[in-house]
Amino acid sequence: QSALTQPASVSGSPGQSITISCTGTSGDVGGHNYVSWYQQHPGKVPKVIIYDVSHRPSGVSNRFSGSKSGNTASLTISGLQAEDEANYYCSSYTSRNLVVFGGGTRVTVL
Amino acid sequence: QVQLQESGPGLLKPSETLPLTCTVSDASITSSYWSWIRQPPGKGLEWIGYIYHTGDIKYNPALRGRVTISLDTSKNQISLSLTSVTAADTAVYYCAKFNWGEAFDIGGRGTMVTVSS
Repeated sequence: QSALTQPASVSGSPGQSITISCTGTSGDVGGHNYVSWYQQHPGKVPKVIIYDVSHRPSGVSNRFSGSKSGNTASLTISGLQAEDEANYYCSSYTSRNLVVFGGGTRVTVL
Repeated sequence: QVQLQESGPGLLKPSETLPLTCTVSDASITSSYWSWIRQPPGKGLEWIGYIYHTGDIKYNPALRGRVTISLDTSKNQISLSLTSVTAADTAVYYCAKFNWGEAFDIGGRGTMVTVSS
């Protein structure tokens, strides 16, 4: 199975909105709604911020939102803040009930 | 909040077998799915495999049959065994709780494993 494709880096100014894409295939992202997003600050443990494409766990800011179109899922961060500077990973279940991660995207707040 | 504590040898030589344990507190390991995930230094996350107490087990095909995940219900622990390790297996290893179809809850701090001669 191949890793999901994410841009290596995305940047934005405080207050702006940015979107991170996560592209897979019909065998994973496009095949169901089991797509999650994780945020990882340097030296910290990854934390889930979106699950099932667009659901936010309790306590996660509503500035984070998820969506999906075809084989591509997206994470949008609205009202970008300095604390959002981190690495972001998408993941998906596959048609064979396996799990695959994206390569990760480094978000920089300018 | 479920507490997870990963433990392992820290340092291994190439070709050895890596044994890792994840001890679960405040929840029964029969209540959820459990997964192992790893992250090489400076790199991204890699899914290793998952297990459920009914015998549902899946592994990452990229690990080519080197990995085994098991449950010890008497100790409330999840174990990982990775054979024939190489430097490419150097990583922080995390265990995670999840319900099938949902996201991973990485409740521990992970354990660093270095493979070096």
